[in-house]
Amino acid sequence: ETGVTQTPRHLVMGMTNKKSLKCEQHLGHNAMYWYKQSAKKPLELMFVYNFKEQTENNSVPSRFSPECPNSSHLFLHLHTLQPEDSALYLCASSQVIGLGSGYEQYFGPGTRLTVT
Amino acid sequence: AQTVTQSQPEMSVQEAETVTLSCTYDTSENNYYLFWYKQPPSRQMILVIRQEAYKQQNATENRFSVNFQKAAKSFSLKISDSQLGDTAMYFCALIQGAQKLVFGQGTRLTINP
Repeated sequence: ETGVTQTPRHLVMGMTNKKSLKCEQHLGHNAMYWYKQSAKKPLELMFVYNFKEQTENNSVPSRFSPECPNSSHLFLHLHTLQPEDSALYLCASSQVIGLGSGYEQYFGPGTRLTVT
Repeated sequence: AQTVTQSQPEMSVQEAETVTLSCTYDTSENNYYLFWYKQPPSRQMILVIRQEAYKQQNATENRFSVNFQKAAKSFSLKISDSQLGDTAMYFCALIQGAQKLVFGQGTRLTINP
C-alpha cells in the first residue's frame, strides 16, 4: 500500500448503529486529519492530530469520536448519527515542519457514508 | 478569518485548449501557502501545485501553472493543452501555520473531446 488508504470505501448505517472508519498513511508523516465533504459545501476540517495528540476539534458533535493510536493510523468512531451526517469523509496526512507549522496534505480516497 | 472563494462553479473547454480557473482569498497573515487540488470522479484528492506566499515567482508543474498576485490576493490556475484526464473538481486552498487547510467551493471542470 502506498499513500493514504481508507476503509471502508462505502458505508451504510442506521441511526442507532456504531461503526468506525479507518485511515492509514504510509508516508511517514506525523500529522493526520479528518475532513467532511458534503454536497455543495466546501470541505470542512473536523479533527487534527499531531504526533498522536489531538490539537484541533472544529466544533464537531460528540457522535463523532476520533482515535489516533499512532502516527500512522487514525480512526473515526461513529454512533447515533443523523441523516445530515451523510457525506464523504476524507482522511489526510502531512509532515509538520517546526512548531505548529504544516505543509501540503495528502488525501485518502474517502469513505462515502450514508445514514438511513 | 481566512476565506477562499472560487467564483466559477463550472467550466467546460475542448481538449487541447487552455483554461484558467480563478481563486481569491483573504488572510491577515504574511506567510502562508496556497494549493490547487484536483478531485476526479474517482474521488481521490490530488495535489496539483503549491505556491509559497513569500516567493514572487509563479509555480509551474508541467502543464499546470499559477498566476499568484499577492497584493490582489488572487491565485489562478492555468491548465495548458488540456486533456480528457483533467476533467475533475478543482479546489483552491490556503494554509497558514496552524495546519488548517481552508478550501474554496470548487470548480467543476469538464474537458470535452
